[in-house]
Amino acid sequence: DSGVTQTPKHLITATGQRVTLRCSPRSGDLSVYWYQQSLDQGLQFLIHYYNGEERAKGNILERFSAQQFPDLHSELNLSSLELGDSALYFCASSVVSGISTDTQYFGPGTRLTVL
Amino acid sequence: TQLLEQSPQFLSIQEGENLTVYCNSSSVFSSLQWYRQEPGEGPVLLVTVVTGGEVKKLKRLTFQFGDARKDSSLHITAAQPGDTGLYLCAGRTGANNLFFGTGTRLTVIP
Repeated sequence: DSGVTQTPKHLITATGQRVTLRCSPRSGDLSVYWYQQSLDQGLQFLIHYYNGEERAKGNILERFSAQQFPDLHSELNLSSLELGDSALYFCASSVVSGISTDTQYFGPGTRLTVL
Repeated sequence: TQLLEQSPQFLSIQEGENLTVYCNSSSVFSSLQWYRQEPGEGPVLLVTVVTGGEVKKLKRLTFQFGDARKDSSLHITAAQPGDTGLYLCAGRTGANNLFFGTGTRLTVIP
């Protein structure tokens, strides 16, 4: 158990819909990262928040957005869903930001299926 | 854009055999990490290497960072069924974002 929690564990929805994935970081961690893992693209970095502020963006689509709240939990919002958005979505947390050797602890992921 | 290529993509070996997984890139990384991911779970960090030429050992696992900090290898001695999983390398550039490799799926047959 990494200490990072993600809900829901599974999510099935239809094309065109909007969903929200939730992540609670480990106690004391200020950084939250979101990743997408699909069979054809591997594990892709989406976005990084540190203490409520966006720090970096990766391959995140404009239909996707995220935020980190004052209690440090984070939500990833996916809208106008397409079949290709079906994937595992992971959240990871770390204590700090900007250190090349810090450890990211991954949650168990949310499996999104778009029908 | 995929910056890190891992080989082989799939590996199936008998218990007790040795194996090496490679992680190659044309980019220079400030650090490189190796993770193992099991089905239904998130990746778990195994090791971080920082210095070119660095070698780290974790029981039966040996990790090496290339001299130019562009590549890395993971060697497992006397593989056991518990080593089965998806092995991912991940490199950091100056922006501190992790870029993951394509992954190597290892199966160790008892």
